[in-house]
Amino acid sequence: QQPVQSPQAVILREGEDAVINCSSSKALYSVHWYRQKHGEAPVFLMILLKGGEQKGHEKISASFNEKKQQSSLYLTASQLSYSGTYFCGTESPLGSARQLTFGSGTQLTVLP
Amino acid sequence: NAGVTQTPKFQVLKTGQSMTLQCAQDMNHNSMYWYRQDPGMGLRLIYYSASEGTTDKGEVPNGYNVSRLNKREFSLRLESAAPSQTSVYFCASSEALGYGYTFGSGTRLTVV
Repeated sequence: QQPVQSPQAVILREGEDAVINCSSSKALYSVHWYRQKHGEAPVFLMILLKGGEQKGHEKISASFNEKKQQSSLYLTASQLSYSGTYFCGTESPLGSARQLTFGSGTQLTVLP
Repeated sequence: NAGVTQTPKFQVLKTGQSMTLQCAQDMNHNSMYWYRQDPGMGLRLIYYSASEGTTDKGEVPNGYNVSRLNKREFSLRLESAAPSQTSVYFCASSEALGYGYTFGSGTRLTVV
């Protein structure tokens, strides 16, 4: 099953904060986050592993609640360059091969 | 530059025609994937290859075939194109558990 992302879209002013949520009905062992700009390929932001710590770089961080099967992406003091569609991808502990299932995305627009 | 290379970037096919989408990575990754992206649907897995010599079906494999030619190359074939296969196709690769996916720049396919 596809993970559920919320909100579907968010509009911010430069410098404001945002939170994007991702939840799954399956037990998870990792969550990925990607950003895609219009007409471009998705770009990997970070991965959170079961039992791992909260990760982040610059002003973008994320958390992973294994018990609730949820992850959140935190964008702090947003910049114009943060605009794009954010996807979470989830991996479940089934079989030995990795399969990443993506949510339908959250469109983030940062205005000056 | 290191990464995932897809060809062609654009293609228009007539219903019933066949074609092969090419993908190559130069990062020595074991796993490779083919996704399609449709508006509002996120990225859906078509086929994947966990390692050289193996391929498996993903979420939406009907109408497609794949070949893992060697560790670097993973091709996607449409035997008899249908308008429902109009989409943007992305190839991706990954190193191992705990690493993100690297995506190619995509192939925009239109079937008329």
